[in-house]
Amino acid sequence: DAGVTQSPTHLIKTRGQQVTLRCSPKSGHDTVSWYQQALGQGPQFIFQYYEEEERQRGNFPDRFSGHQFPNYSSELNVNALLLGDSALYLCASSSTGPVRELFFGEGSRLTVL
Amino acid sequence: GENVEQHPSTLSVQEGDSAVIKCTYSDSASNYFPWYKQELGKRPQLIIDIRSNVGEKKDQRIAVTLNKTAKHFSLHITETQPEDSAVYFCAAMCALTFGKGTMLLVSP
Repeated sequence: DAGVTQSPTHLIKTRGQQVTLRCSPKSGHDTVSWYQQALGQGPQFIFQYYEEEERQRGNFPDRFSGHQFPNYSSELNVNALLLGDSALYLCASSSTGPVRELFFGEGSRLTVL
Repeated sequence: GENVEQHPSTLSVQEGDSAVIKCTYSDSASNYFPWYKQELGKRPQLIIDIRSNVGEKKDQRIAVTLNKTAKHFSLHITETQPEDSAVYFCAAMCALTFGKGTMLLVSP
C-alpha cells in the first residue's frame, strides 16, 4: 500500500503565478483534505473533498480551489500567489464512516519568491 | 469555527520522565480528538485518538484523557525516550482543527 502520495515534493514559484498540487489518497479512502502548514505552525485546514465535491472549507480565500476526480485523487490550485503562500501543503485522506483517522502525505513544499 | 489551544509550545524533559501536553477546544460539538506526532521533515502521524464517549485511552506508554465538561484533553507520555522527541499536535473534529504544536525534547 503506497499510502498517500503527493507531487511535486518541492517547487518554487514567483508572486502572481499559479500552482497545482496533486494528491493520491491511500487505497480504500474516498475523502481528501488539504492543509497548509507554515513553518513552526500546526496544519491549517483548507478544504475537504468527498464525492468530487467540496464539503467543508476553512478560512482561505477563493484563490485556493480544488478538485477531486472519480478515482478519488485530488488537486489543490492556488492562483495569484503571494509570498505568504509559502508553506508545506499536506494532503490527508480518510474514509467515510466512524473511523476518522487521517493519513497524511509527505507534503509539497511551496516557496514563493 | 473550532479553536484549539495547545500548551506548552516547548517541553524539555529528561529521559525516563513523564511528559504532559494539554489542549483546550471551543466547539462543544467536537467529538473526535486525535494526537499527531511530526518528526522533523516528516508527515504528521496519528499516535492516539479519543472519542467523546470515552474519558481515557491508553496505548503502552501513551495515554490521552478527555474532559468534555471543561473542553480540554491531554496527552501523557511516560518513560520518555529520545526517539519521542518531535512536535506533537492535538486536534479536534469535525474538520480537524490543529493546535500550534508542542516541541518535545527528550534529553538522554
